[in-house]
Amino acid sequence: DQQVKQNSPSLSVQEGRISILNCDYTNSMFDYFLWYKKYPAEGPTFLISISSIKDKNEDGRFTVFLNKSAKHLSLHIVPSQPGDSAVYFCAAGGATNKLIFGTGTLLAVQP
Amino acid sequence: DAGVIQSPRHEVTEMGQEVTLRCKPISGHDYLFWYRQTMMRGLELLIYFNNNVPIDDSGMPEDRFSAKMPNASFSTLKIQPSEPRDSAVYFCASSLIRGRSYTFGSGTRLTVV
Repeated sequence: DQQVKQNSPSLSVQEGRISILNCDYTNSMFDYFLWYKKYPAEGPTFLISISSIKDKNEDGRFTVFLNKSAKHLSLHIVPSQPGDSAVYFCAAGGATNKLIFGTGTLLAVQP
Repeated sequence: DAGVIQSPRHEVTEMGQEVTLRCKPISGHDYLFWYRQTMMRGLELLIYFNNNVPIDDSGMPEDRFSAKMPNASFSTLKIQPSEPRDSAVYFCASSLIRGRSYTFGSGTRLTVV
């Protein structure tokens, strides 16, 4: 049973436009959410996080939005750059130190 | 710090053979995690350790899989006997006590033929 779901396997966006990556979760006990970015042949790297007490967190071109009632979070990248092309994983955690990851979304930013 | 170090980077083995994957976490990190990445299931948590003690191994798929952490600077994931369906990229990650951000290694790509 996938507790964290990324329903879009891939997304293609033009350079300079906004990229929106989506993630849904089922477990209401999750209280911390993260996005990781992964390039080919490398391990995932931490990008941005948000606590369940907030509904938005911004870091430069990256903003994460959390809608607890809908159990949904999204990552916005504005403006998108070709170097943003990678696989993006959504992850959720709760009382333990265990993170549950989604299946990932492959973002391709076209020059 | 060199980060989380995994070896080997690539492993090709024949079905039925034993495979051992290795991980050196970041010094001072109290948690160590083993994940497996597949297209269908994304990043699956196999097992994690806290202060070298296995805490949750509910993600270990079968008895063919075992993991150890004999000391704070080394962990192994062993598959015996290996099967073609074990082919995947295996990641090790570590984090600080009560930390929320993991640091991942570069992974081991395992191919079982």
